Amino acid sequence: AQSVTQLDSQVPVFEEAPVELRCNYSSSVSVYLFWYVQYPNQGLQLLLKYLSGSTLVKGINGFEAEFNKSQTSFHLRKPSVHISDTAEYFCAVTPNAGKSTFGDGTTLTVKP
Amino acid sequence: DGGITQSPKYLFRKEGQNVTLSCEQNLNHDAMYWYRQDPGQGLRLIYYSQIVNDFQKGDIAEGYSVSREKKESFPLTVTSAQKNPTAFYLCASSIGLSGANVLTFGAGSRLTVL
Repeated sequence: AQSVTQLDSQVPVFEEAPVELRCNYSSSVSVYLFWYVQYPNQGLQLLLKYLSGSTLVKGINGFEAEFNKSQTSFHLRKPSVHISDTAEYFCAVTPNAGKSTFGDGTTLTVKP
Repeated sequence: DGGITQSPKYLFRKEGQNVTLSCEQNLNHDAMYWYRQDPGQGLRLIYYSQIVNDFQKGDIAEGYSVSREKKESFPLTVTSAQKNPTAFYLCASSIGLSGANVLTFGAGSRLTVL
């Protein structure tokens, strides 16, 4: 079984500041890692994913994440946030032949 | 454009009534899923289906039922046996059940029990 812990339930930041949303996971098997974003009253959409290869992955809207196998983490970062980045962000892990396990989400609020 | 259509977007139900949420996809995806989302919580899997006429229970299937008569359709029925049905329901699909596959989500249906 897998579990996902998003270490911050809410992250307030000012516009143009950098941000990091933290995600740790545990699993007894290899997993694929994903970050999804959800805007109010909408479904989730993919930000980025790590399947294999380079541990630094780049996604849409200037976001990137780094896979750290030894620390079982997959933190999401953006060097300069915009008001439009205000949303809820979900980290998810999926084993090769299983279903996704989602974290509880982190609400990012960007203030002017 | 390809995508997933969920309807209705908002639904109100009286206690003791069954309601059915619609989910249609035109992505030609084999796998489809239903998730429940409650405030401050992640997504919890209700049911999933890999092929037509076959589906499996997820983590919280009690009080719910599904059917998969067509590849593009995966309706969810919330029955009166579901004790706390007020929630946001998300339908998703993927090419297959491989963990590397990305989930594509619909816009969701918000169910409120009066």
